[in-house]
Amino acid sequence: DAGITQSPRYKITETGRQVTLMCHQTWSHSYMFWYRQDLGHGLRLIYYSAAADITDKGEVPDGYVVSRSKTENFPLTLESATRSQTSVYFCASSSVAGSQETQYFGPGTRLLVL
Amino acid sequence: DQQVKQNSPSLSVQEGRISILNCDYTNSMFDYFLWYKKYPAEGPTFLISISSIKDKNEDGRFTVFLNKSAKHLSLHIVPSQPGDSAVYFCAASRYPEKLVFGKGTKLTVNP
Repeated sequence: DAGITQSPRYKITETGRQVTLMCHQTWSHSYMFWYRQDLGHGLRLIYYSAAADITDKGEVPDGYVVSRSKTENFPLTLESATRSQTSVYFCASSSVAGSQETQYFGPGTRLLVL
Repeated sequence: DQQVKQNSPSLSVQEGRISILNCDYTNSMFDYFLWYKKYPAEGPTFLISISSIKDKNEDGRFTVFLNKSAKHLSLHIVPSQPGDSAVYFCAASRYPEKLVFGKGTKLTVNP
């Protein structure tokens, strides 16, 4: 399917486990982003990538690792999950850098850390 | 330090009436503003945007107004429909910085 997809859509894990959330886009967009959405905080940027092998931290990067070996994929790894990482995670992509930046979002992954 | 603020967590309007969602920002260097709509269990979807060189942009029932002197933008939906019930996020950007989102306003349109 064309567009941006995320997997899994729902995930339950335990504290201390490693979890990887997948993101795939078919538009060949250069830019990809990971956000988390929490009540009272809106959307907060975790990491972003301007191109393959180029990544940078966002507002809340602690506890997360990203990689981007291929343009279309941007996985997010929680190295040792904590309860505070229970959230809804959104991946997004955009083709344009800078001001005229319209991002397109995936459907989200709802993560529960027990 | 919240750069983009949506001070109303929720808004309820009657079908057919106007919905006005507000957003304030603190960074005068922002030069592009967007509104996203989000339904439950879905990702946000782009709705409408405006460049800082304009003060109004219209797309069908949706109009965004920008008041740079007040650092304020608003989204008008006329007429409101039950399908417009969603969470609306305001976002702003300034090259080369990334988008900054507000916390969102939940709009409920009652039939």
